Amino acid sequence: DSGVTQTPKHLITATGQRVTLRCSPRSGDLSVYWYQQSLDQGLQFLIQYYNGEERAKGNILERFSAQQFPDLHSELNLSSLELGDSALYFCASSPLGAGDTDTQYFGPGTRLTVL
Amino acid sequence: DQQVKQNSPSLSVQEGRISILNCDYTNSMFDYFLWYKKYPAEGPTFLISISSIKDKNEDGRFTVFLNKSAKHLSLHIVPSQPGDSAVYFCAASGESGSNYQLIWGAGTKLIIKP
Repeated sequence: DSGVTQTPKHLITATGQRVTLRCSPRSGDLSVYWYQQSLDQGLQFLIQYYNGEERAKGNILERFSAQQFPDLHSELNLSSLELGDSALYFCASSPLGAGDTDTQYFGPGTRLTVL
Repeated sequence: DQQVKQNSPSLSVQEGRISILNCDYTNSMFDYFLWYKKYPAEGPTFLISISSIKDKNEDGRFTVFLNKSAKHLSLHIVPSQPGDSAVYFCAASGESGSNYQLIWGAGTKLIIKP
């Protein structure tokens, strides 16, 4: 158990809809990262927050947005969903903001299926 | 454009033998490399890392080798155990234009046969 929790575990929705994925980082970790893993692909970095502020942005679509709240949990909002958004979405946390060298602790992921 | 490539989607190894997982990268500015391990229904977990100032890093049964001239790294697991069966991801970081975030390979599924 990494100490990172993600809800829900599974989500099935229709095209055009909007969903919110939630992540609670490990106790004491200030950074939260969101990743997307499509079938047979590596993890694609979406976005990083550090202590409530956006720290780095990766290949995140404009239809997607995220935020980190004062209690350090984070939410990833996906809107106008398309079939191609079906994927595993992972949240990770790390103690500091160094997204490249900090060890990242991953949650179990949310599997999103868009029908 | 895949900057980090794991060309073997899967690898099968006999228990007790050596497992060698390979990773190639294209960006010569990458200077830090990590291996993560992922079991089904779980998120990846950190395994071992190496900085570009080294060519080898060892942690118990796990050794990572870095060949900068070939832009190649490998993870050796000796001896392989059934619990090593998992998907292994290689990741790299450095001045890649992506805000010093990790760039991940697609993963190699390692199967340890009893």
